[in-house]
Amino acid sequence: AQSVTQLGSHVSVSEGALVLLRCNYSSSVPPYLFWYVQYPNQGLQLLLKYTSAATLVKGINGFEAEFKKSETSFHLTKPSAHMSDAAEYFCAVSSMNRDDKIIFGKGTRLHILP
Amino acid sequence: NAGVTQTPKFRVLKTGQSMTLLCAQDMNHEYMYWYRQDPGMGLRLIHYSVGEGTTAKGEVPDGYNVSRLKKQNFLLGLESAAPSQTSVYFCASSPPGGPREQFFGPGTRLTVL
Repeated sequence: AQSVTQLGSHVSVSEGALVLLRCNYSSSVPPYLFWYVQYPNQGLQLLLKYTSAATLVKGINGFEAEFKKSETSFHLTKPSAHMSDAAEYFCAVSSMNRDDKIIFGKGTRLHILP
Repeated sequence: NAGVTQTPKFRVLKTGQSMTLLCAQDMNHEYMYWYRQDPGMGLRLIHYSVGEGTTAKGEVPDGYNVSRLKKQNFLLGLESAAPSQTSVYFCASSPPGGPREQFFGPGTRLTVL
């Protein structure tokens, strides 16, 4: 069985500061990992995904995430926060097994302080 | 290319009423999903479909039914709405095989009084 844990339901950072959103996963098979972003009153959109190629994955809007197998982590970072980054972020895990579905974490709401 | 669309965007029901939410995708995706999103609960899978004519139960299927008569459409029905079904409903679709990146619709906000 697969699972995802996002540490911190709310994270606040100052504009211009480093953004770090934490995600740990559990999977008995090699995982595929995703970060999605949800802006207010919108659906989820894909930020980036890990599919067993490079362990450092670059996504849209300056975000990136690093797959660390030894730590079972896939933390999301951005060097400098912008007000427009305020949103809810979801980490998700899947695998290449045909019957596996994507399992989503409970989400982390990112607040940007001026 | 509209992606995933959902109809309606908002709906208010009285307890016991029925309704159908429509999801449509124009990406020729095989897989489609219905989720509900509640504060602090993340996304919970209600039902999903791996192809035209097929449906399967997800994590929270009780009180909902679905149909996939056409590949591009996935309908979610509430036969007798309850206040516990007040939520935001999202539809998603994905192609088969590989990392099943999902593409989401804009959501339907449903209130049951």
